[in-house]
Amino acid sequence: GESVGLHLPTLSVQEGDNSIINCAYSNSASDYFIWYKQESGKGPQFIIDIRSNMDKRQGQRVTVLLNKTVKHLSLQIAATQPGDSAVYFCAEKGGDSWGKLQFGAGTQVVVTP
Amino acid sequence: GAVVSQHPSWVICKSGTSVKIECRSLDFQATTMFWYRQFPKQSLMLMATSNEGSKATYEQGVEKDKFLINHASLTLSTLTVTSAHPEDSSFYICSRRRGSDTQYFGPGTRLTVL
Repeated sequence: GESVGLHLPTLSVQEGDNSIINCAYSNSASDYFIWYKQESGKGPQFIIDIRSNMDKRQGQRVTVLLNKTVKHLSLQIAATQPGDSAVYFCAEKGGDSWGKLQFGAGTQVVVTP
Repeated sequence: GAVVSQHPSWVICKSGTSVKIECRSLDFQATTMFWYRQFPKQSLMLMATSNEGSKATYEQGVEKDKFLINHASLTLSTLTVTSAHPEDSSFYICSRRRGSDTQYFGPGTRLTVL
């Protein structure tokens, strides 16, 4: 059922500005991380991934940064557009998790004109 | 294009009935698929790992007799919610793995139990 009172953290960004979405992960043994975008009523959509032997990876308008020392992951979106409005989830895969992903709580990104 | 499909996209059923949700891998044979549940304003919670030709592996707290998973072919996994109740109302999403790690998700199935 629905959890009354629960709400996602929200990031409000002006169109054209850069967005930074942060994620703290829990398992120091995690060796693979993914960012997903989920629009309302749809399944998560793959954005970008990074392995633990890297600290930065760039895609089209997106950059993922990984800081293993503090177990922190971030997603940067350049020149945010209205179509970027969605919920963004980070996910981690433990080294021994047989491919299973652990999802973060999610961040709602709202792009304002 | 989409690599995973789900059917139906939404379903409304009466309490006590069973509902089957299909998940198809469209472009690749998938020996392993995953089933998630997502409540409003919450994250995805893994329910079970579906293995082709063998029994599914359920996460702690997920009732295997209530959520029946069948992975009879390399492209199809099904989730049957048996004797559904209003608290089972949720968004059910499946995924398949590409390579060893990346998961691609289906569009989800909205289940509403009256």
